[in-house]
Amino acid sequence: DVKVTQSSRYLVKRTGEKVFLECVQDMDHENMFWYRQDPGLGLRLIYFSYDVKMKEKGDIPEGYSVSREKKERFSLILESASTNQTSMYLCASSLQGPSGPNTGELFFGEGSRLTVL
Amino acid sequence: AQSVTQLDSQVPVFEEAPVELRCNYSSSVSVYLFWYVQYPNQGLQLLLKYLSGSTLVESINGFEAEFNKSQTSFHLRKPSVHISDTAEYFCAVIGSGGYQKVTFGTGTKLQVIP
Repeated sequence: DVKVTQSSRYLVKRTGEKVFLECVQDMDHENMFWYRQDPGLGLRLIYFSYDVKMKEKGDIPEGYSVSREKKERFSLILESASTNQTSMYLCASSLQGPSGPNTGELFFGEGSRLTVL
Repeated sequence: AQSVTQLDSQVPVFEEAPVELRCNYSSSVSVYLFWYVQYPNQGLQLLLKYLSGSTLVESINGFEAEFNKSQTSFHLRKPSVHISDTAEYFCAVIGSGGYQKVTFGTGTKLQVIP
């Protein structure tokens, strides 16, 4: 089975701190994604990556950056955390698709709940 | 670009009763459609998917969904729910023609009442 592991389930940080959220997948998937989940808003895509060293902005990239130095690892960085970044963060990965890089079938980690005070 | 609408944010239903969770989408291209389930304090996991072929797709735990192209819908149904089905359900869509992003609905919380 595919396993997507997020390093921290719960984090509490202070406004202005730099925050790293780590995600590792063990099935050699090409594609990796970071979403945030908020009540009533569903999942919103922050950043994604189709290959090592490659990154693309999603729908809400402001205030975030990412790093993908190795195929299995995709990190989300909050350069200066703010209270409106309090949320559940979900990492996902997927296989390369036959007609493009994503068939849409995502494998999710268990999430990292971040609270910014 | 595509969008997904889940009109019902919460659906309470008694145990062993049938349930339907509604999902409508819009897209200018052909799509793949998905239902994901999120149990409390967990990440999302794939419940079922429509890529092509038969418009009726089923999951291993008794859920089914039917792709209706004319109504741009992909409603999720189960004839008899169990307490263990209590979870949040997300409908998702992706364009079938390469380099597309997955778009999620806002989710429907299914609460099964004993």
